[in-house]
Amino acid sequence: EVQLQESGPGLVKPSQSLSLTCSVTGYSITSNYWGWIRKFPGNKMEWMGYISYSGSTSYNPSLKSRISITRDTSKNQFFLQLNSVTTEDTATYYCARVPFNWAGPYYFDYWGQGVMVTVSS
Amino acid sequence: DIQMTQSPPSLSASLGDKVTITCQASQNINKYIAWYQQKPGKAPGLLIGYTSRLVSGIPSRFSGSGSGRDYSFSISNVESEDIASYYCLQYDNSPWTFGGGTKLELK
Repeated sequence: EVQLQESGPGLVKPSQSLSLTCSVTGYSITSNYWGWIRKFPGNKMEWMGYISYSGSTSYNPSLKSRISITRDTSKNQFFLQLNSVTTEDTATYYCARVPFNWAGPYYFDYWGQGVMVTVSS
Repeated sequence: DIQMTQSPPSLSASLGDKVTITCQASQNINKYIAWYQQKPGKAPGLLIGYTSRLVSGIPSRFSGSGSGRDYSFSISNVESEDIASYYCLQYDNSPWTFGGGTKLELK
Protein backbone atom coordinates (compact mmCIF):
# COMPACT_ATOMS: atom_id res chain seq x y z
CA GLU A 1 0.00 0.00 0.00
CA VAL A 2 1.20 3.49 -0.81
CA GLN A 3 2.15 5.52 2.24
CA LEU A 4 3.42 9.08 2.39
CA GLN A 5 4.92 10.86 5.38
CA GLU A 6 5.82 14.52 5.62
CA SER A 7 8.64 15.73 7.82
CA GLY A 8 10.32 19.02 8.55
CA PRO A 9 10.51 21.87 11.03
CA GLY A 10 7.29 23.01 12.60
CA LEU A 11 8.47 26.58 13.07
CA VAL A 12 10.12 28.83 10.51
CA LYS A 13 11.09 32.47 10.90
CA PRO A 14 9.76 35.10 8.49
CA SER A 15 11.96 35.67 5.41
CA GLN A 16 13.57 32.26 5.80
CA SER A 17 12.94 29.13 3.72
CA LEU A 18 10.52 26.36 4.53
CA SER A 19 11.83 22.91 3.63
CA LEU A 20 9.79 19.74 3.87
CA THR A 21 10.41 16.13 2.91
CA CYS A 22 7.86 13.59 1.76
CA SER A 23 8.98 9.99 2.24
CA VAL A 24 7.11 7.48 0.12
CA THR A 25 6.84 3.76 0.80
CA GLY A 26 5.07 1.06 -1.18
CA TYR A 27 5.43 2.83 -4.52
CA SER A 28 8.23 4.28 -6.59
CA ILE A 29 8.28 8.03 -7.15
CA THR A 30 9.60 7.34 -10.63
CA SER A 31 6.00 6.37 -11.40
CA ASN A 32 3.13 8.85 -11.23
CA TYR A 33 3.26 12.49 -10.22
CA TRP A 34 3.76 13.70 -6.66
CA GLY A 35 2.35 16.89 -5.26
CA TRP A 36 2.17 19.32 -2.39
CA ILE A 37 -0.99 20.88 -1.01
CA ARG A 38 -1.49 23.15 1.97
CA LYS A 39 -4.43 23.92 4.21
CA PHE A 40 -4.57 27.29 5.88
CA PRO A 41 -6.11 28.12 9.26
CA GLY A 42 -9.74 28.69 8.32
CA ASN A 43 -9.62 25.60 6.08
CA LYS A 44 -8.85 27.03 2.64
CA MET A 45 -6.84 24.49 0.64
CA GLU A 46 -4.28 25.34 -2.03
CA TRP A 47 -2.56 23.17 -4.62
CA MET A 48 1.10 24.18 -4.57
CA GLY A 49 2.63 22.09 -7.31
CA TYR A 50 3.80 18.67 -8.39
CA ILE A 51 6.76 16.82 -9.81
CA SER A 52 6.39 14.18 -12.48
CA TYR A 53 7.82 10.70 -12.77
CA SER A 54 10.52 12.18 -15.03
CA GLY A 55 11.34 15.10 -12.74
CA SER A 56 9.50 17.88 -14.55
CA THR A 57 7.55 20.29 -12.36
CA SER A 58 4.43 22.40 -12.41
CA TYR A 59 3.72 25.10 -9.85
CA ASN A 60 0.83 27.27 -8.78
CA PRO A 61 1.51 30.72 -10.27
CA SER A 62 0.41 32.28 -6.96
CA LEU A 63 3.67 31.06 -5.48
CA LYS A 64 5.63 32.65 -8.31
CA SER A 65 9.34 32.04 -7.99
CA ARG A 66 9.28 31.14 -4.29
CA ILE A 67 8.60 27.42 -4.73
CA SER A 68 10.75 24.51 -5.74
CA ILE A 69 9.87 20.81 -5.76
CA THR A 70 12.71 18.35 -6.17
CA ARG A 71 13.27 14.66 -5.56
CA ASP A 72 15.79 12.01 -4.58
CA THR A 73 14.86 8.82 -6.37
CA SER A 74 17.48 6.80 -4.48
CA LYS A 75 15.67 7.56 -1.22
CA ASN A 76 12.18 7.58 -2.77
CA GLN A 77 11.62 11.06 -1.38
CA PHE A 78 10.50 14.35 -2.80
CA PHE A 79 10.90 17.79 -1.31
CA LEU A 80 9.24 21.17 -1.01
CA GLN A 81 11.16 24.39 -0.61
CA LEU A 82 9.30 27.65 -0.18
CA ASN A 83 11.45 30.74 0.05
CA SER A 84 10.91 34.12 1.70
CA VAL A 85 8.08 32.89 3.89
CA THR A 86 5.72 35.20 5.73
CA THR A 87 3.09 34.58 8.36
CA GLU A 88 0.68 34.01 5.46
CA ASP A 89 2.48 30.72 4.79
CA THR A 90 1.41 29.29 8.14
CA ALA A 91 -0.51 26.14 7.20
CA THR A 92 -0.66 22.38 7.35
CA TYR A 93 1.35 20.98 4.45
CA TYR A 94 0.43 17.71 2.78
CA CYS A 95 2.17 15.61 0.19
CA ALA A 96 0.15 13.37 -2.10
CA ARG A 97 0.33 11.01 -5.04
CA VAL A 98 -1.09 12.19 -8.35
CA PRO A 99 -2.13 9.46 -10.79
CA PHE A 100 -2.09 10.23 -14.50
CA ASN A 101 -3.29 8.96 -17.85
CA TRP A 102 -3.04 9.96 -21.51
CA ALA A 103 -4.72 13.28 -20.67
CA GLY A 104 -2.29 14.12 -17.89
CA PRO A 105 -2.28 14.08 -14.09
CA TYR A 106 -5.59 13.91 -12.32
CA TYR A 107 -6.48 14.63 -8.69
CA PHE A 108 -4.69 13.34 -5.58
CA ASP A 109 -5.36 9.81 -4.45
CA TYR A 110 -3.05 9.03 -1.53
CA TRP A 111 -2.12 11.71 0.99
CA GLY A 112 0.27 12.00 3.89
CA GLN A 113 -0.97 12.92 7.35
CA GLY A 114 0.25 16.47 7.02
CA VAL A 115 2.70 18.59 8.97
CA MET A 116 1.79 21.87 10.57
CA VAL A 117 4.22 24.70 9.87
CA THR A 118 4.04 28.01 11.70
CA VAL A 119 5.86 31.05 10.41
CA SER A 120 6.70 33.28 13.34
CA SER A 121 9.60 35.18 14.78
CA ASP B 1 -7.87 30.60 -11.82
CA ILE B 2 -11.13 28.67 -11.67
CA GLN B 3 -13.10 29.54 -8.55
CA MET B 4 -14.98 26.70 -6.87
CA THR B 5 -17.93 27.91 -4.83
CA GLN B 6 -18.89 25.16 -2.39
CA SER B 7 -22.08 25.24 -0.37
CA PRO B 8 -23.22 25.06 2.28
CA PRO B 9 -20.21 25.80 4.51
CA SER B 10 -21.79 23.71 7.21
CA LEU B 11 -24.56 21.17 7.36
CA SER B 12 -26.43 19.58 10.23
CA ALA B 13 -28.01 16.16 9.67
CA SER B 14 -29.62 13.34 11.58
CA LEU B 15 -28.52 9.74 11.22
CA GLY B 16 -30.23 8.26 8.16
CA ASP B 17 -30.71 11.60 6.40
CA LYS B 18 -29.67 12.34 2.85
CA VAL B 19 -27.41 15.36 2.48
CA THR B 20 -26.20 17.15 -0.63
CA ILE B 21 -23.24 19.46 -1.12
CA THR B 22 -22.74 21.51 -4.24
CA CYS B 23 -19.75 23.00 -6.02
CA GLN B 24 -20.15 25.56 -8.74
CA ALA B 25 -17.15 26.31 -10.91
CA SER B 26 -16.51 29.73 -12.42
CA GLN B 27 -16.29 28.04 -15.81
CA ASN B 28 -16.94 24.65 -17.40
CA ILE B 29 -14.66 22.03 -15.83
CA ASN B 30 -15.69 19.14 -18.10
CA LYS B 31 -16.55 16.83 -15.19
CA TYR B 32 -13.00 16.94 -13.83
CA ILE B 33 -14.02 17.19 -10.20
CA ALA B 34 -13.10 15.03 -7.23
CA TRP B 35 -14.56 14.89 -3.73
CA TYR B 36 -12.66 14.36 -0.49
CA GLN B 37 -13.55 13.60 3.11
CA GLN B 38 -11.39 14.87 5.94
CA LYS B 39 -11.68 14.10 9.63
CA PRO B 40 -9.85 16.20 12.24
CA GLY B 41 -6.15 15.44 12.36
CA LYS B 42 -6.34 13.05 9.44
CA ALA B 43 -5.34 13.19 5.80
CA PRO B 44 -8.05 13.91 3.24
CA GLY B 45 -9.43 10.73 1.70
CA LEU B 46 -10.50 10.50 -1.93
CA LEU B 47 -14.13 9.43 -2.28
CA ILE B 48 -15.09 10.22 -5.86
CA GLY B 49 -13.20 11.14 -9.03
CA TYR B 50 -14.37 12.41 -12.41
CA THR B 51 -17.71 13.63 -11.04
CA SER B 52 -19.25 10.27 -10.19
CA ARG B 53 -16.64 7.49 -10.13
CA LEU B 54 -16.66 6.01 -6.66
CA VAL B 55 -13.25 4.97 -5.38
CA SER B 56 -12.90 1.27 -4.65
CA GLY B 57 -13.98 0.46 -1.12
CA ILE B 58 -16.07 3.59 -0.63
CA PRO B 59 -19.66 2.80 0.39
CA SER B 60 -22.34 3.26 -2.24
CA ARG B 61 -24.21 5.74 -0.05
CA PHE B 62 -21.75 8.30 -1.42
CA SER B 63 -22.46 9.61 -4.90
CA GLY B 64 -21.64 12.47 -7.21
CA SER B 65 -23.16 14.03 -10.29
CA GLY B 66 -23.08 17.10 -12.47
CA SER B 67 -21.72 18.64 -15.61
CA GLY B 68 -20.53 21.93 -17.00
CA ARG B 69 -20.17 24.31 -14.07
CA ASP B 70 -22.48 22.64 -11.55
CA TYR B 71 -21.71 19.56 -9.48
CA SER B 72 -23.15 17.86 -6.43
CA PHE B 73 -22.09 15.30 -3.89
CA SER B 74 -24.57 13.34 -1.79
CA ILE B 75 -24.56 11.03 1.16
CA SER B 76 -27.69 8.95 1.54
CA ASN B 77 -28.42 7.43 4.95
CA VAL B 78 -25.84 9.46 6.86
CA GLU B 79 -23.94 7.38 9.38
CA SER B 80 -21.98 8.59 12.40
CA GLU B 81 -18.68 7.80 10.67
CA ASP B 82 -19.59 10.31 7.94
CA ILE B 83 -19.20 13.24 10.32
CA ALA B 84 -16.32 15.11 8.71
CA SER B 85 -15.51 17.94 6.37
CA TYR B 86 -15.90 17.52 2.63
CA TYR B 87 -14.05 19.30 -0.18
CA CYS B 88 -14.34 19.42 -3.93
CA LEU B 89 -11.33 19.78 -6.22
CA GLN B 90 -11.34 20.80 -9.88
CA TYR B 91 -8.47 19.38 -11.90
CA ASP B 92 -9.54 20.50 -15.35
CA ASN B 93 -7.36 23.59 -15.45
CA SER B 94 -4.11 24.49 -13.78
CA PRO B 95 -3.86 25.69 -11.09
CA TRP B 96 -6.12 23.04 -9.60
CA THR B 97 -8.45 24.64 -7.07
CA PHE B 98 -10.48 23.47 -4.11
CA GLY B 99 -13.88 24.43 -2.82
CA GLY B 100 -14.07 26.07 0.59
CA GLY B 101 -15.25 22.92 2.33
CA THR B 102 -18.43 21.76 4.05
CA LYS B 103 -18.48 20.66 7.66
CA LEU B 104 -21.06 17.96 8.30
CA GLU B 105 -22.31 17.74 11.86
CA LEU B 106 -24.89 15.63 13.65
CA LYS B 107 -28.14 17.30 14.54
